[in-house]
Amino acid sequence: GIQVEQSPPDLILQEGANSTLRCNFSDSVNNLQWFHQNPWGQLINLFYIPSGTKQNGRLSATTVATERYSLLYISSSQTTDSGVYFCAVVGTTTDSWGKLQFGAGTQVVVTP
Amino acid sequence: NAGVTQTPKFQVLKTGQSMTLQCAQDMNHEYMSWYRQDPGMGLRLIHYSVGAGITDQGEVPNGYNVSRSTTEDFPLRLLSAAPSQTSVYFCASSRGGGSGETQYFGPGTRLLVL
Repeated sequence: GIQVEQSPPDLILQEGANSTLRCNFSDSVNNLQWFHQNPWGQLINLFYIPSGTKQNGRLSATTVATERYSLLYISSSQTTDSGVYFCAVVGTTTDSWGKLQFGAGTQVVVTP
Repeated sequence: NAGVTQTPKFQVLKTGQSMTLQCAQDMNHEYMSWYRQDPGMGLRLIHYSVGAGITDQGEVPNGYNVSRSTTEDFPLRLLSAAPSQTSVYFCASSRGGGSGETQYFGPGTRLLVL
């Protein structure tokens, strides 16, 4: 199946700092989503972004489908940004349909 | 809309016991799925359903059964719990399973098997 690799695995930021999280995937995708799992375990959908660029407040994401990677940008980080960020994809092959494949996540800690 | 709901929130089982994790959605979504999340890992797909009466296996289906008798509900059954099934279980739904579909997740069920 499709492989999803996220980097870095861990990130410690001071409040106000900017950061970039990366997601590499091994095959073509027709669905890519970024999720934030907060410290209480809830998964929140941040972006649906199989290609192109989107922005939502201090967060933005860019996916370059032809080069098989996506980036999540966090600007002016706040303590509420702490948690785990997951990238998840659905491949384009018939046996990939409907199967969201997750990366291992990036653990982000924002300190005051 | 309540979105995706899961019950119970927490459960402790003894090895060999059976139980059903409940999942319901009120968004009229055709596609529903179950994932498990183990410490330090991303989510792994257990089973999924593309509509009432249709289910299929995901990446880690062994030890779990599902059925889909209505659009709204997608229960996950553990017939004989094992310690290896200690995990956090998430249910998700979307309009479809392919491109263009954002998946929405429930709050999760934490299961401990002793």
